[in-house]
Amino acid sequence: DADVTQTPRNRITKTGKRIMLECSQTKGHDRMYWYRQDPGLGLRLIYYSFDVKDINKGEISDGYSVSRQAQAKFSLSLESAIPNQTALYFCATSDFSGVGNEQFFGPGTRLTVL
Amino acid sequence: ELKVEQNPLFLSMQEGKNYTIYCNYSTTSDRLYWYRQDPGKSLESLFVLLSNGAVKQEGRLMASLDTKARLSTLHITAAVHDLSATYFCAVDEAAGNKLTFGGGTRVLVKP
Repeated sequence: DADVTQTPRNRITKTGKRIMLECSQTKGHDRMYWYRQDPGLGLRLIYYSFDVKDINKGEISDGYSVSRQAQAKFSLSLESAIPNQTALYFCATSDFSGVGNEQFFGPGTRLTVL
Repeated sequence: ELKVEQNPLFLSMQEGKNYTIYCNYSTTSDRLYWYRQDPGKSLESLFVLLSNGAVKQEGRLMASLDTKARLSTLHITAAVHDLSATYFCAVDEAAGNKLTFGGGTRVLVKP
């Protein structure tokens, strides 16, 4: 089974709808992240969490919110989706105590907002 | 604000030849990561470089880090088709485990 899972994998929605993307991990990592990838671009950080009660804004947090329900779960919400939020969304995890603190990525969620 | 630039953005390779991808970044850091992404797939960690002068090699890929020049290189030796993918570098500015990614280099290896 995959260590970092994301649901749904694909979602098509309409402008103004509320959407939640979910991320779960079995790696036991304390840190979790949400990124957005647009075609031809690198990843940009939306929000990150270093522990269950810790939430931090990233580079592009406007229009998004997150919830860290447990160490293993980190959800991303779009309260009122708009077309320019159409993108590929990745969740990632890392272990503060690990060598190098490298981040491990989930399979991604492709979101289309019509 | 940390900026990370990769070049080239696109690299058409011939099998058997050698190539280099460059990753420049704008502020002090001694933690740099290389990832590979296949079309429609997630990111796969290739290398973690944690100090000035660090060099890591895996198969036909070799990555190095020069923190004084704020430059990392990913060298591909004797390119093969299986290396076709997009390669990203990412920098951890203050060892805070918050990555800033370059724009990626799309590599296409032709026979």
